Amino acid sequence: GAGVSQSPSNKVTEKGKDVELRCDPISGHTALYWYRQSLGQGLEFLIYFQGNSAPDKSGLPSDRFSAERTGGSVSTLTIQRTQQEDSAVYLCASGGGAALKNIQYFGAGTRLSVL
Amino acid sequence: AQKITQTQPGMFVQEKEAVTLDCTYDTSDPSYGLFWYKQPSSGEMIFLIYQGSYDQQNATEGRYSLNFQKARKSANLVISASQLGDSAMYFCAMRDAYTGGFKTIFGAGTRLFVKA
Repeated sequence: GAGVSQSPSNKVTEKGKDVELRCDPISGHTALYWYRQSLGQGLEFLIYFQGNSAPDKSGLPSDRFSAERTGGSVSTLTIQRTQQEDSAVYLCASGGGAALKNIQYFGAGTRLSVL
Repeated sequence: AQKITQTQPGMFVQEKEAVTLDCTYDTSDPSYGLFWYKQPSSGEMIFLIYQGSYDQQNATEGRYSLNFQKARKSANLVISASQLGDSAMYFCAMRDAYTGGFKTIFGAGTRLFVKA
């Protein structure tokens, strides 16, 4: 597609439920990032995929969070047993590679609300 | 450790005037890149400008320029001739090389209000 696509745009769930957030990166982009943005805050790095390399999971806040990227393209961020503090906007970005200058292009985000 | 600091939570500027948004950073890596992104109320992050640590000249992109002072570890964004559509959150970000990949960290952001 023309840009990074994220779905759903909004997700309301009950505490304790599992949720899956999807990211379709720009075609051909080898790098994919997930970030979390709490209300009025900056972006918190969660996880980074680069090509076929092992992902950098250093930003995942707990073992309830996981992500996978199938076929080097679509990525899914899964949050198990959601908690109210997981409520935030989850942003996905893709980029052309691992070089310093490669720009990250962001999707519109998924707004997660945990009741 | 990597760190990005934006000390201005909010800024006001009169339409058509210039404004400077501050950003300081810290890294022990001599090779790094600095980015500025704009986030309007719609929520999407929009790339504005990039500065590499070895670039000899300050980056410019249209009305945006980056005042890069390497010794002071600052990378301030200058917006000239402000427009009402410039009202948004602005984030400074840094990427440096580290074992295993290129991690990007973001500052807390500055909210810019452009007054008519």
